[in-house]
Amino acid sequence: NAGVTQTPKFQVLKTGQSMTLQCAQDMNHNSMYWYRQDPGMGLRLIYYSASEGTTDKGEVPNGYNVSRLNKREFSLRLESAAPSQTSVYFCASSEVGVGYTFGSGTRLTVV
Amino acid sequence: AQSVTQPDIHITVSEGASLELRCNYSYGATPYLFWYVQSPGQGLQLLLKYFSGDTLVQGIKGFEAEFKRSQSSFNLRKPSVHWSDAAEYFCAVGLDDYKLSFGAGTTVTVRA
Repeated sequence: NAGVTQTPKFQVLKTGQSMTLQCAQDMNHNSMYWYRQDPGMGLRLIYYSASEGTTDKGEVPNGYNVSRLNKREFSLRLESAAPSQTSVYFCASSEVGVGYTFGSGTRLTVV
Repeated sequence: AQSVTQPDIHITVSEGASLELRCNYSYGATPYLFWYVQSPGQGLQLLLKYFSGDTLVQGIKGFEAEFKRSQSSFNLRKPSVHWSDAAEYFCAVGLDDYKLSFGAGTTVTVRA
């Protein structure tokens, strides 16, 4: 089925560990995003990529890096995880006139 | 700077009753406005969006929203709520399907 696929769905990390969240879309959308969702704060934009080969910081980029590997894939890396990064992470893609499509989320716990 | 405020964190409504969720926004230019719904454990699904034209917008699942420029508001309504409408609702503002900013969300509980 067409859509946005995120892996993994769940992850527990120890403080200081690193990991990469993977995201792939098969709708040929130009723009891709990483948001984090925390209770009472809605979705906050971490990084986005307007098109293949470009990435930009969003509202809360500290502690994260991203790679737009190709048009389909947009990964989010935590170099040294901290408890404040415990959250649900959503990848999304969009195209003007078509709309946003969200992945099902990655629930990350940092202990 | 753009921002979205959803004043109500949680609303409880009886099945069959009407529902109104409030949204106020701040944006430098004329924005696109959106309402999304999130069921537990799921991603977000678009209910409706507005940019111009008729200020009353119809969406999916029987929802509608009214844009009021003078109040910088974009409130979501449904005349008769079903138990399946229990979810979290997000208002969003941005450019056309690009780089959206989301409000904090309103959780809707439907009681029998």
